[in-house]
Formats: sequence, C-alpha cells, structure tokens
Amino acid sequence: GAVVSQHPSRVICKSGTSVKIECRSLDFQATTMFWYRQFPKQSLMLMATSNEGSKATYEQGVEKDKFLINHASLTLSTLTVTSAHPEDSSFYICSARDGTRDSNQPQHFGDGTRLSIL
Amino acid sequence: GDSVTQMEGPVTLSEEAFLTINCTYTATGYPSLFWYVQYPGEGLQLLLKATKADDKGSNKGFEATYRKETTSFHLEKGSVQVSDSAVYFCALSGIYNQGGKLIFGQGTELSVKP
Repeated sequence: GAVVSQHPSRVICKSGTSVKIECRSLDFQATTMFWYRQFPKQSLMLMATSNEGSKATYEQGVEKDKFLINHASLTLSTLTVTSAHPEDSSFYICSARDGTRDSNQPQHFGDGTRLSIL
Repeated sequence: GDSVTQMEGPVTLSEEAFLTINCTYTATGYPSLFWYVQYPGEGLQLLLKATKADDKGSNKGFEATYRKETTSFHLEKGSVQVSDSAVYFCALSGIYNQGGKLIFGQGTELSVKP
C-alpha cells in the first residue's frame, strides 16, 4: 500500500518550455502533498506544500510564478515549471501523506522526475 | 528551529560488516522520526519510523531506537549487503509543523563492497 506515482520520470526540453509533472497517490487519499528539489549529492529541499482545494504554501525563496502547483483532487497534485531555463534542471520529487489517518503517518515518495533544460 | 544532523559520508564497508549511521536532532517536544533510503536515480523509500521515545523501528534488518535523552535515532544493521548501497536520510516531523512537513538530514551515502 501507500504508493505514489510520479510522471514523467525524465524530461529533456528546450529553454523557454513549460513542463508539467504529475504526482498521484494510487491507493490512499492525500490531503497534503509536498514538492522537493534535489541537487546532485545533496539532501531534499522542500519547495512547497500542496493542500487539496487550496493554494500551495511555498518555502522562502521559491518563486510562486515560476513553479505553479495545483492540487485539484485528493489523489493528484501537479507542478508546472514555467518558461524553464537551464538553471531549473534538477531532480524533482513529490511526496504524499495519508490525510485520513493519524498525524504520525509518514510521507510516501514518488520516484522523482529528472528535468534537463537545454 | 527543528533540525537533523547526520554523520558525513560516504561510508564504505565490506559485505557482512556492521553498520551504524548516526543521526541526532533538535526539536521542540516529541517529534516523529524516520529513516528513508534512496537508491540511485530513484525517489525515497520509507525504511523505518518511530513516533515516541524508546520506540524501536525496524525493517529489512535495519533498526533505530528513538532516544529522547540523547536526541538521537541512529541507524544500525548487523550485516550489510551490497544491495544496501544507497543514500540514507534521517528525518523528523515536528509536532508543531504544518501538515507533516519533514526536516531532513543531509544524507549519508553507503557503499558496500563485495
């Protein structure tokens, strides 16, 4: 149980393109999803917390207009990198937490999306 | 604020050696503690967790005990295998966080040689 599917796993595109990444909880309802960015050999950096039916909460220093987050249902959140540039190239990982259970439930992670902007 | 500190890597061991990866934390109250593992090119997988003091989390031969007195959650395994080679992250979820936000340590890379 507690499977999170992230798609696509890898994207290569030209500078200026907008890229959408999907994160789905397959067997549970996720009232809260999280989006992280990970640089090589480094830990995960939380970008934003996505709450179903409301606006995402962004961490300090993360551009809201650059990284658009939508959490329209209890099983799907999307991250859109708008007008991507080479400096946006990174490994993006989503996670989801089962909101129907107690507050000690762990986050379950997707397999990540490797984004490469040429 | 809340924080997690892990021992620096990389850690290189021979197969069947004993593993310890140290993790200490700073947090208000009694956070929940987690160990996640990341294999190359993949996302994170939950390895084990503990939600209160003196709890022991265990999975796949790995263990970690929630020590309130030393604010630690060290990861141990009695006999590592080559397949255990990965990056291990210690994390906490504080009682005052927003919706279960995780605070991660910097990660410790483990390399197990045959």
